[in-house]
Amino acid sequence: GQQVMQIPQYQHVQEGEDFTTYCNSSTTLSNIQWYKQRPGGHPVFLIQLVKSGEVKKQKRLTFQFGEAKKNSSLHITATQTTDVGTYFCAATNTNAGKSTFGDGTTLTVKP
Amino acid sequence: NAGVTQTPKFRVLKTGQSMTLLCAQDMNHEYMYWYRQDPGMGLRLIHYSVGEGTTAKGEVPDGYNVSRLKKQNFLLGLESAAPSQTSVYFCASTKTGYTEAFFGQGTRLTVV
Repeated sequence: GQQVMQIPQYQHVQEGEDFTTYCNSSTTLSNIQWYKQRPGGHPVFLIQLVKSGEVKKQKRLTFQFGEAKKNSSLHITATQTTDVGTYFCAATNTNAGKSTFGDGTTLTVKP
Repeated sequence: NAGVTQTPKFRVLKTGQSMTLLCAQDMNHEYMYWYRQDPGMGLRLIHYSVGEGTTAKGEVPDGYNVSRLKKQNFLLGLESAAPSQTSVYFCASTKTGYTEAFFGQGTRLTVV
């Protein structure tokens, strides 16, 4: 089946530092989605990327889709304590017809 | 608009007992999914459905059964619970196989 690797598994940062999580697929993707799960909560949709090389921003969050549509990244500028949680990518391969979630990157922010 | 609702939210079972988790969505979505999430791990797909009356196996289907008799409901059954099934279970729905997923609040299941 489709493999989706997400790194790092954990990231601890000081408040104000930047944070990046990466998602890599072994196959070309039709789209990729990013979700955030707060501690004790459920995953919540953040964004979907569809086009090769696409870049989207949401305030301090920047999402990128690779030119080959096999990888993606989520970058948070100047982290805040409200950014803590686990960030998941979900990759969709046209042939699969459904998304495969990465294992997530858990971010902790030290005030 | 409630979105995706899971019942119950918490449950403790004894080994060998059976139970059914209910997922209901009011968004007229075609696709529904059941995931389990263990501490420090990602979401593992148990079973999914691409429409009323259809179901398919995910990554970790053993020990679980599902039914989608009505479009808005997706039931997950455990016939004989085992301690290894202690987990948090999430239901999700999507309009198609490529659109954003809406998750329920989760069911925290403990099997003793």
